[in-house]
Amino acid sequence: AQSVAQPEDQVNVAEGNPLTVKCTYSVSGNPYLFWYVQYPNRGLQFLLKYITGDNLVKGSYGFEAEFNKSQTSFHLKKPSALVSDSALYFCAFSFTSGTYKYIFGTGTRLKVLA
Amino acid sequence: DTAVSQTPKYLVTQMGNDKSIKCEQNLGHDTMYWYKQDSKKFLKIMFSYNNKELIINETVPNRFSPKSPDKAHLNLHINSLELGDSAVYFCASSQKRGYNEQFFGPGTRLTVL
Repeated sequence: AQSVAQPEDQVNVAEGNPLTVKCTYSVSGNPYLFWYVQYPNRGLQFLLKYITGDNLVKGSYGFEAEFNKSQTSFHLKKPSALVSDSALYFCAFSFTSGTYKYIFGTGTRLKVLA
Repeated sequence: DTAVSQTPKYLVTQMGNDKSIKCEQNLGHDTMYWYKQDSKKFLKIMFSYNNKELIINETVPNRFSPKSPDKAHLNLHINSLELGDSAVYFCASSQKRGYNEQFFGPGTRLTVL
């Protein structure tokens, strides 16, 4: 079955340190990949996406992600974490044909410690 | 201006009741979605409409019925509510499908007692 996996339920990082939130995918063909963030009691907000082209994509709030086809990964990164980055992060992929349905990962809670 | 809005924000009701959640988007998008987020924060697609046509209908009990009167609105009606329906329901919209990001509403927290 086609899916995305977020292997860590929670990631803790000190403020000012680099952060990485992991995502791997199992999708036939070339997927569309996305990262979303959810703050408490809010809807999801789009951060960035990979469709094609440059493997390093930059998004909102200083986040970036690298598409790695050989490792089937799309890890989210930020060079210097802020306490305000603490939230729930979702990786997702979209089918590139048919219904273009989104499949979300299980989410990773990021805690940035002051 | 709110891009994707949902009403109500909170819904508390008894088992067996029927309830509706409304969603409106003012982004001019042609595709709208309903998602369910459970207590563990897992997010699952329920339905999707493209230009008022149902294009995704996941394995959802037929007590759930979406209705799209026009491209800007997608409502969700739930009959005979059960305890297991308690969750946060999110509406979302996107321009076309696939490679375009989705814009989410604030969610409706449904509690069935």
